[in-house]
Amino acid sequence: GEDVEQSLFLSVREGDSSVINCTYTDSSSTYLYWYKQEPGAGLQLLTYIFSNMDMKQDQRLTVLLNKKDKHLSLRIADTQTGDSAIYFCAESIKWTDKLIFGTGTRLQVFP
Amino acid sequence: DVKVTQSSRYLVKRTGEKVFLECVQDMDHENMFWYRQDPGLGLRLIYFSYDVKMKEKGDIPEGYSVSREKKERFSLILESASTNQTSMYLCASTGTGGEAFFGQGTRLTVV
Repeated sequence: GEDVEQSLFLSVREGDSSVINCTYTDSSSTYLYWYKQEPGAGLQLLTYIFSNMDMKQDQRLTVLLNKKDKHLSLRIADTQTGDSAIYFCAESIKWTDKLIFGTGTRLQVFP
Repeated sequence: DVKVTQSSRYLVKRTGEKVFLECVQDMDHENMFWYRQDPGLGLRLIYFSYDVKMKEKGDIPEGYSVSREKKERFSLILESASTNQTSMYLCASTGTGGEAFFGQGTRLTVV
């Protein structure tokens, strides 16, 4: 069945880069997403990548996809305290379809 | 500003009560979803709906039902609340644009 895994915690110093990793099992996944959840809030889409892409860059965010290993990563350059949140990777087969979420990675940024 | 609104941020209910969680979206989206979020488990899909009066079971539908009488409203019903249903409940909707928009969440405690 479908399964998406992430490490639970990541702690980085302000100004450093953060790398959040995700592995998934469903090879039919077409779309892969990164969502951010700030304390007391719902989820907000950060970025997404199609399964036929290897990389996508959007300002401080870089998404890398290794389809062979079913591995997805999110790199945040120059991490700020405002980046402290829970980050979820998710997958879907169709663009507007249900999302299968990972367990979430809590990113803590310290000064 | 697009919006998914959940009727309550916090709820406390007694074991055995029937509980209604309401979700309304103002984006004319076809698809609506209910997830529950638990620490270390991420988000798990309870039910979803692709159209009015249509519903599909997600991964953990036991103990829940849903109602979608109008396009903008998707209700989650706990027929007889139990303590293991204490959780954060998140509603989401998607339209042709693809991005999932989430409500703020309802933190339900069953005592």
